[in-house]
Amino acid sequence: DSGVTQTPKHLITATGQRVTLRCSPRSGDLSVYWYQQSLDQGLQFLIQYYNGEERAKGNILERFSAQQFPDLHSELNLSSLELGDSALYFCASSVEPGALDDPRQFFGPGTRLTVL
Amino acid sequence: SQQGEEDPQALSIQEGENATMNCSYKTSINNLQWYRQNSGRGLVHLILIRSNEREKHSGRLRVTLDTSKKSSSLLITASRAADTASYFCAASGSARQLTFGSGTQLTVLP
Repeated sequence: DSGVTQTPKHLITATGQRVTLRCSPRSGDLSVYWYQQSLDQGLQFLIQYYNGEERAKGNILERFSAQQFPDLHSELNLSSLELGDSALYFCASSVEPGALDDPRQFFGPGTRLTVL
Repeated sequence: SQQGEEDPQALSIQEGENATMNCSYKTSINNLQWYRQNSGRGLVHLILIRSNEREKHSGRLRVTLDTSKKSSSLLITASRAADTASYFCAASGSARQLTFGSGTQLTVLP
């Protein structure tokens, strides 16, 4: 158990809909990262937050957005869903960006999104 | 897009044998990390090697890093059936987000 929790575990929805994925980082971790894992694109970094502020963006579509709340949990919002958005979405947390001591990221169990 | 490739894409060995997986990456890194994923589950951190290190050990794991060739390898010694999983390398630069390789599916036969 990494200490990172994600809800829900599974989500089935229809094209055009909007969903929200939730992540709670490990206790004490200030950074949250979101990744998408799909068969055709593999594991891709989407976005990073540190202590409530957006820090870095990767291959995140404009239809997707995220935020990190004062209690450090994070939500990833996916809207106008398309079939190709079906994937595993992972959240990871780490102590803080740039820290030389421990750059490891700890991953949650993921949310499997199926768009029909 | 992914940082690099892993080789082989799939590897099947007998219990007790050693498994070697290779990873190549494209840009300069601060560290390279290896993760394991069991069948669609979350990623588990295995080992991290920093850019100024050449080799690191952790239990049955040995990782090497060659920054001149932008490549790394992971050796699992005395493999067990429980080692069956997908293994990913992940490169991390100054920005710290991970850029993953394509993964190696390891099957250890009992």
